[in-house]
Amino acid sequence: GAVVSQHPSWVICKSGTSVKIECRSLDFQATTMFWYRQFPKQSLMLMATSNEGSKATYEQGVEKDKFLINHASLTLSTLTVTSAHPEDSSFYICSASRRFHTDTQYFGPGTRLTVL
Amino acid sequence: AQSVTQLGSHVSVSEGALVLLRCNYSSSVPPYLFWYVQYPNQGLQLLLKYTSAATLVKGINGFEAEFKKSETSFHLTKPSAHMSDAAEYFCAVSAGGTSYGKLTFGQGTILTVHP
Repeated sequence: GAVVSQHPSWVICKSGTSVKIECRSLDFQATTMFWYRQFPKQSLMLMATSNEGSKATYEQGVEKDKFLINHASLTLSTLTVTSAHPEDSSFYICSASRRFHTDTQYFGPGTRLTVL
Repeated sequence: AQSVTQLGSHVSVSEGALVLLRCNYSSSVPPYLFWYVQYPNQGLQLLLKYTSAATLVKGINGFEAEFKKSETSFHLTKPSAHMSDAAEYFCAVSAGGTSYGKLTFGQGTILTVHP
């Protein structure tokens, strides 16, 4: 149980375009989802926290207008990278947790974004 | 503010040898501490967690970790390494209050197991 999927697993896009990444909890209801970014040889950095039906809370330094997060249902959250640039190339990872169990996060396999 | 330092980006052991992966943390409040493992092309999987109960925490696959407040450490150990333990391991810390659930990760340690 507690499986989280991400789609796509990798994507290549041109500079200036927008890319949407989906995060789904397959066998549980995720009241909270987290989005992380991992640059090569660096650790995971939390970008934002989203609760179902609420606006996402962004970490300091993360542009909310550039990284649009939607958590419209208990099984799906999306991250849209708008007007992507090469410096946005990274590994994006989502995680999900159940209601009242936010101390345990279940992670997706990640999405590799390359912006040309 | 909280932070995590994992000592050693790469650790290599022989099969059957002791595994020791080091993690030190900094937190202004009593922390929750976690170890995650990531196999190639897979998501992070929780190995074990400390949430202010017993200081010696047992996890899956024979791993355990001991919370030592005086040393601000949460090292991960396994008595006997197996080939299947080869993976990348992440230590993470979470604080309570409004930061509850938000994880701060260390930079990861890649474990290699030699036959």
